[in-house]
Amino acid sequence: EAQVTQNPRYLITVTGKKLTVTCSQNMNHEYMSWYRQDPGLGLRQIYYSMNVEVTDKGDVPEGYKVSRKEKRNFPLILESPSPNQTSLYFCASSRVPPGYEQYFGPGTRLTVT
Amino acid sequence: AQKVTQAQTEISVVEKEDVTLDCVYETRDTTYYLFWYKQPPSGELVFLIRRNSFDEQNEISGRYSWNFQKSTSSFNFTITASQVVDSAVYFCALSEAGYGGATNKLIFGTGTLLAVQP
Repeated sequence: EAQVTQNPRYLITVTGKKLTVTCSQNMNHEYMSWYRQDPGLGLRQIYYSMNVEVTDKGDVPEGYKVSRKEKRNFPLILESPSPNQTSLYFCASSRVPPGYEQYFGPGTRLTVT
Repeated sequence: AQKVTQAQTEISVVEKEDVTLDCVYETRDTTYYLFWYKQPPSGELVFLIRRNSFDEQNEISGRYSWNFQKSTSSFNFTITASQVVDSAVYFCALSEAGYGGATNKLIFGTGTLLAVQP
């Protein structure tokens, strides 16, 4: 089954404790991205990657890192999480832009206390 | 500047009613792409449809239909004979081809919460 997977699905952590949210896709997509969804602010792009070893900032990259060492994986790293990073995070993938639909993972609900 | 407006925050209908969700977009690009996504209560984002700016044909898929009008910058979504399973938040989104190369970023509207009552 074609899908984007994310782990963990739920995470509660404390301020400053480094964490990684994994994302993997099995559709051989070149493009991958991360979004966060917040009430009143909607969905906003954090980082994206056009291909292996090619990443770039989205609209809200502060406090996040990403890497793309393999085509299928695109982990999101929070080196020192803060409460304002409490959010619902989505990973997505698509064929090479422009204009292809992005397929989203199930989401990771992160709470930073 | 790019922007997607979904003016309807919440809509409540009774099962079997038809319902139209409005989407108005702004872009300076001549090449752009429009999408609808569904977010059911379980939280995932489900892709429904994609349209490019050169294709104004309306589309029908079962009970779903989409009306794209460049003249009014609108891409409206109609559900015919709504069902309880249609209850969800629906997002309209825009992606631009971009002069400097496409980032494929999706610019989302704020979503419309559709509640279908039995």
